[in-house]
Amino acid sequence: NAGVMQNPRHLVRRRGQEARLRCSPMKGHSHVYWYRQLPEEGLKFMVYLQKENIIDESGMPKERFSAEFPKEGPSILRIQQVVRGDSAAYFCASSPPSSMATEAFFGQGTRLTVV
Amino acid sequence: AQTVTQSQPEMSVQEAETVTLSCTYDTSESDYYLFWYKQPPSRQMILVIRQEAYKQQNATENRFSVNFQKAAKSFSLKISDSQLGDAAMYFCAYRSGRVYSGGSNYKLTFGKGTLLTVNP
Repeated sequence: NAGVMQNPRHLVRRRGQEARLRCSPMKGHSHVYWYRQLPEEGLKFMVYLQKENIIDESGMPKERFSAEFPKEGPSILRIQQVVRGDSAAYFCASSPPSSMATEAFFGQGTRLTVV
Repeated sequence: AQTVTQSQPEMSVQEAETVTLSCTYDTSESDYYLFWYKQPPSRQMILVIRQEAYKQQNATENRFSVNFQKAAKSFSLKISDSQLGDAAMYFCAYRSGRVYSGGSNYKLTFGKGTLLTVNP
């Protein structure tokens, strides 16, 4: 049973370009969470998605950031017109569709560098 | 809003010794969960230990144990018989017991972390 898969592991973008980060949850998991880790900081919640639904996007910046989790395929975190301040590690976690889920499983993250 | 504070940016311990990492949190909720995660240089987030707030007994996982003081809102991690492989960044995290409609809630609030060095 493969774990949470994120790709790419490393992504370099020039200022103004778009960044697309992908997350494939564990088999049987239909809930996905995105977190951002700035240098020297803990992870900060961005968005919680279920298949085809955004449940909580209270941590998403108001502009340039969007996320989706389609019926088929991975969850995508999209950053338009990237700026240097977007450089960070972005983590995805997945959990099963149960209020009794005791653990979410994290991917290894995507390190985004904006040059 | 909940907050999690880790007051020790760095700690060090001798191999085979015991070390305690501190964490305090602030919440008005009565139902919640607390976690310690380990992040080695590979960046993989690894769950070390979990504590349910309604449980009075402190959680234990092999060499890892917690001291959960609910009234004081304190949740420290004790690592016994430290090993070189324990060297990592450790994060304390809080999760509300509230469940979204449709089930599940794994929205975590993290502290800033404590970098643990293990000296041979």
